[in-house]
Amino acid sequence: GAVVSQHPSWVICKSGTSVKIECRSLDFQATTMFWYRQFPKQSLMLMATSNEGSKATYEQGVEKDKFLINHASLTLSTLTVTSAHPEDSSFYICSAQADSNAMNTEAFFGQGTRLTVV
Amino acid sequence: AQSVAQPEDQVNVAEGNPLTVKCTYSVSGNPYLFWYVQYPNRGLQFLLKYITGDNLVKGSYGFEAEFNKSQTSFHLKKPSALVSDSALYFCAVRQSTRYKLSFGAGTTVTVRA
Repeated sequence: GAVVSQHPSWVICKSGTSVKIECRSLDFQATTMFWYRQFPKQSLMLMATSNEGSKATYEQGVEKDKFLINHASLTLSTLTVTSAHPEDSSFYICSAQADSNAMNTEAFFGQGTRLTVV
Repeated sequence: AQSVAQPEDQVNVAEGNPLTVKCTYSVSGNPYLFWYVQYPNRGLQFLLKYITGDNLVKGSYGFEAEFNKSQTSFHLKKPSALVSDSALYFCAVRQSTRYKLSFGAGTTVTVRA
């Protein structure tokens, strides 16, 4: 299957600082990327949908000013957690899809980023 | 609206025995159904999908799933489980007119040697 690379795999940062997470589609062009948050032993919570060249669509309850998403190219989307606090500590996962209009195209996932805010 | 239910938080089986992970869904229109597996501190790996056609879908690592429209189910199965199949399994659905995936809560599978 297609490869999605997410970096870094883990990061520890101080409270009040910002952290950027990158998501790259390595062997295909991703018109749509998704950002999820996952708490321990729980399902994935969709945070936002990112389409190349346009503003991200955030899910209800997700602060767009806190979780900045940029999708400047067809192979790269970034999530920046601004002014991070301990409650932002979580596992963040991105996924990418080649064709945003294809209902039957499976999404491919990055390996996830474990963020710990101290 | 679309949703997925995985009624079992945990499934425990002995190695070599059949493994079944249950999933039921609710959508308007035709469902597009997916199974993913997640190992600790990793992203999700795609196992298989049902779009149309044969109700029995074969996927990676010897897994298969059966689509049952009347019961709105898409149970994941493996005839003979391996210890290495121990992981967290997610069922997901995409409604035909939407492209966002909705995930079930996940089922932790433990295969004992």
